Amino acid sequence: GENVEQHPSTLSVQEGDSAVIKCTYSDSASNYFPWYKQELGKGPQLIIDIRSNVGEKKDQRIAVTLNKTAKHFSLHITETQPEDSAVYFCAANPYSGAGSYQLTFGKGTKLSVIP
Amino acid sequence: DTAVSQTPKYLVTQMGNDKSIKCEQNLGHDTMYWYKQDSKKFLKIMFSYNNKELIINETVPNRFSPKSPDKAHLNLHINSLELGDSAVYFCASSQESGLGGSYNEQFFGPGTRLTVL
Repeated sequence: GENVEQHPSTLSVQEGDSAVIKCTYSDSASNYFPWYKQELGKGPQLIIDIRSNVGEKKDQRIAVTLNKTAKHFSLHITETQPEDSAVYFCAANPYSGAGSYQLTFGKGTKLSVIP
Repeated sequence: DTAVSQTPKYLVTQMGNDKSIKCEQNLGHDTMYWYKQDSKKFLKIMFSYNNKELIINETVPNRFSPKSPDKAHLNLHINSLELGDSAVYFCASSQESGLGGSYNEQFFGPGTRLTVL
């Protein structure tokens, strides 16, 4: 089955700096890679995702890069703000099209943005 | 309107008891999931249901049983609760029969914190 490793487990940055979280996956069949943000006391919420036919995707201050050859993908947050403080999870999904879907999550990164 | 709702939000119970957690989604999705998040925040899939059919069942004890009365609901029943069952349980849903966009996005509920004493 799929195995997703996520680093670092904790990350502290000054407000306005950039934050980078990295993940690696083991199953070369995986082709969908979402990132979720979990705020305290809430459920995870999708912030950005990328599919295997794309190398990079950007949405305002958030970007994700994917290297299928090396089997790793990264989340980049620029101009961090205190409200970016949360736990971030990467995940991988080896299936596409209709059928069964399974997301394997990384162990999470607790991001703290210091004002 | 809440997209994915769970009840109760908190559940405190004694070892050996049987309890249920309810989940409802109003997104019209065809697949629903249950995840367990342990004290270290690790999220692990327990079950998923697609059109009322179980399609994933990870190595979960058979004390846990999902029940789906209809496409919008997936309840989690737990028998003979043990201390190790203490965790936050999340329900999620997604639309898995679609093309384009982020159709794999899973929408999570707010979670149910289960404490077994």
